[in-house]
Amino acid sequence: ETGVTQTPRHLVMGMTNKKSLKCEQHLGHNAMYWYKQSAKKPLELMFVYNFKEQTENNSVPSRFSPECPNSSHLFLHLHTLQPEDSALYLCASSERGGHRQFFGPGTRLTVL
Amino acid sequence: SQKIEQNSEALNIQEGKTATLTCNYTNYSPAYLQWYRQDPGRGPVFLLLIRENEKEKRKERLKVTFDTTLKQSLFHITASQPADSATYLCALDRVDSYDKVIFGPGTSLSVIP
Repeated sequence: ETGVTQTPRHLVMGMTNKKSLKCEQHLGHNAMYWYKQSAKKPLELMFVYNFKEQTENNSVPSRFSPECPNSSHLFLHLHTLQPEDSALYLCASSERGGHRQFFGPGTRLTVL
Repeated sequence: SQKIEQNSEALNIQEGKTATLTCNYTNYSPAYLQWYRQDPGRGPVFLLLIRENEKEKRKERLKVTFDTTLKQSLFHITASQPADSATYLCALDRVDSYDKVIFGPGTSLSVIP
């Protein structure tokens, strides 16, 4: 256990569905991240929150919508996704800055 | 453009030998370089961080070097064990902000008993 939990672990959704991914960290960190990991591709940074403020939106399509209600919780709201959005979505946290990130186990998303 | 490269081929080594993984980068001047381990279907796990003014860092059987002139980091696992089999990722802080780390594609390591 890394102190970062993600739910659900697996998700299958149709292109017209709306779903949300949840991440919670129990480490007292101030920065939280969403990454996308597709097969044979490097981790792609999607969003960064520092002290609940979004500091990065890495040209992510608007069908992905993040929410950070407090420094312990991070959500990724999904709607009208495409099959190419199927991937492993990873949440991470760190004290501040990008160093020594602690990752959750990920959500395996399949879009049909 | 900015680029991070790691051993493109999977690395297979015999148990007990030293594994050496390479991370090369171009068009970066990172202040920090990190190494992570990732097992299939799981999130990466932080291993080591080395700063630009450090040449070498050790932790148990792990050793990392950082050559900012060559723009290269080497990651060594001595006395390798089958349990070391995993994918290893290097990561650099982005030139425009240290908060945003960029990951390399990873190298798959298999340690054969």
